[in-house]
Amino acid sequence: GESVGLHLPTLSVQEGDNSIINCAYSNSASDYFIWYKQESGKGPQFIIDIRSNMDKRQGQRVTVLLNKTVKHLSLQIAATQPGDSAVYFCAENMPDRGSTLGRLYFGRGTQLTVWP
Amino acid sequence: GAGVSQSPSNKVTEKGKDVELRCDPISGHTALYWYRQSLGQGLEFLIYFQGNSAPDKSGLPSDRFSAERTGGSVSTLTIQRTQQEDSAVYLCASSLGWQDYGYTFGSGTRLTVV
Repeated sequence: GESVGLHLPTLSVQEGDNSIINCAYSNSASDYFIWYKQESGKGPQFIIDIRSNMDKRQGQRVTVLLNKTVKHLSLQIAATQPGDSAVYFCAENMPDRGSTLGRLYFGRGTQLTVWP
Repeated sequence: GAGVSQSPSNKVTEKGKDVELRCDPISGHTALYWYRQSLGQGLEFLIYFQGNSAPDKSGLPSDRFSAERTGGSVSTLTIQRTQQEDSAVYLCASSLGWQDYGYTFGSGTRLTVV
C-alpha cells in the first residue's frame, strides 16, 4: 500500500560501514522497482532501479537486490558516507491496477543517519 | 527547463483561505504527478496527469482539493478552505510519459496552515 500516516523507521550506521535498507513490496505483479533518496528540504532523487527479470543490479557504491519469492527489495550502500544521510524510499509499479498503470507506489521510507 | 520547478517554495496561510501551488514540469514530459508529504512521513499520492487523458484523481483527500494542467505543461494544485491538517510539503514530479517511471521531483512547496 501507500505510505500514509506512519512514522519512518530509522537506521544508524557509522561512516565507512555498509548499510542495508529493506523494503517489502505489496504486489506480486509489480515488474519494476526504484529506490529514491530524499535529503532534507529536497525532493526525492532517483538512485537505482531494477526490473523483475533481474535479482541484482549494481551501481556506484549501491546494489539493489530483489527477492520475488518473498516480495522483498533491499538497497545496499557500500562504505557509507555522511552525505548518504537521507530518507530512502522504495517504489513499485503495479501494472494490474487499471487506470493507475502509469504511476509508482511508494513505500514508507527509511531514515538513514551516518555518524562520523 | 532543466528540472521540475515548484512555486512558492514556502507558503503560510490562514485557516479557511484558498491556496494555489504551481508546478512547472520538465519540457517534453507528458506525465505529471502531485504527492503530499507530511512531516517525517512518506509520500501520499494525490493526482496524476498523462497527456490529454482524464487525470487520475483517486488520491485527492477531499473535494477541497483540485488540480488542473493547462496546455499539457504547467499544473496548479488548489486547496480551498485550508485546514491545519493540510500542512505538509506538496511535491510535484514529471516523467516522459506512459509507464516511464523515471520521475524527476521538484523541491516541493512547504505549506503551513495557521
